[in-house]
Amino acid sequence: QKEVEQDPGPLSVPEGAIVSLNCTYSNSAFQYFMWYRQYSRKGPELLMYTYSSGNKEDGRFTAQVDKSSKYISLFIRDSQPSDSATYLCAMTNNNDMRFGAGTRLTVKP
Amino acid sequence: DTGVSQDPRHKITKRGQNVTFRCDPISEHNRLYWYRQTLGQGPEFLTYFQNEAQLEKSRLLSDRFSAERPKGSFSTLEIQRTEQGDSAMYLCASSLDRLGYTFGSGTRLTVV
Repeated sequence: QKEVEQDPGPLSVPEGAIVSLNCTYSNSAFQYFMWYRQYSRKGPELLMYTYSSGNKEDGRFTAQVDKSSKYISLFIRDSQPSDSATYLCAMTNNNDMRFGAGTRLTVKP
Repeated sequence: DTGVSQDPRHKITKRGQNVTFRCDPISEHNRLYWYRQTLGQGPEFLTYFQNEAQLEKSRLLSDRFSAERPKGSFSTLEIQRTEQGDSAMYLCASSLDRLGYTFGSGTRLTVV
């Protein structure tokens, strides 16, 4: 079993839809949880991070962490074609970050 | 500052050859990381520097891999006696803390 599991998709939604992306993990020591966006042939770009359980909102993006279930989510409201990318969850408790495999999202106009 | 720069962007090499990649981090960032990413997978941690000191190395980093960060500035990652399984995107990231990574665009290595 991988330490971080993420459904690879692909996920295709119409413009304006609410998108839900999820990851599960097995290591209860993880304390910091991140979401990255990666466009083709580019490095990952940090979207947002949360510490421990709870919600964090940034514009159209909301990150949720449920440590009791070892489950994290990213919600994208009013999705736009420019949101089309691969979304990677990541988590750490020290200096090496563990990434999910990424979910490929396409938002159709 | 233009972000994290990596050179070259693409490298094609024959099996058994040595290759070296360079990473120039954001100037004020003291932390530097190397990751490897294969198609359809997330990045995998290879190694971490704080200033010039290499503080952590993954078990993935075999003895054919070596990384340096002289004077705590740019970093190099060398792969000796390349194998086809080394084909991947090699990503460098820098940060001021353990969370705020800025990744470069990566070096794509193809071993033929």
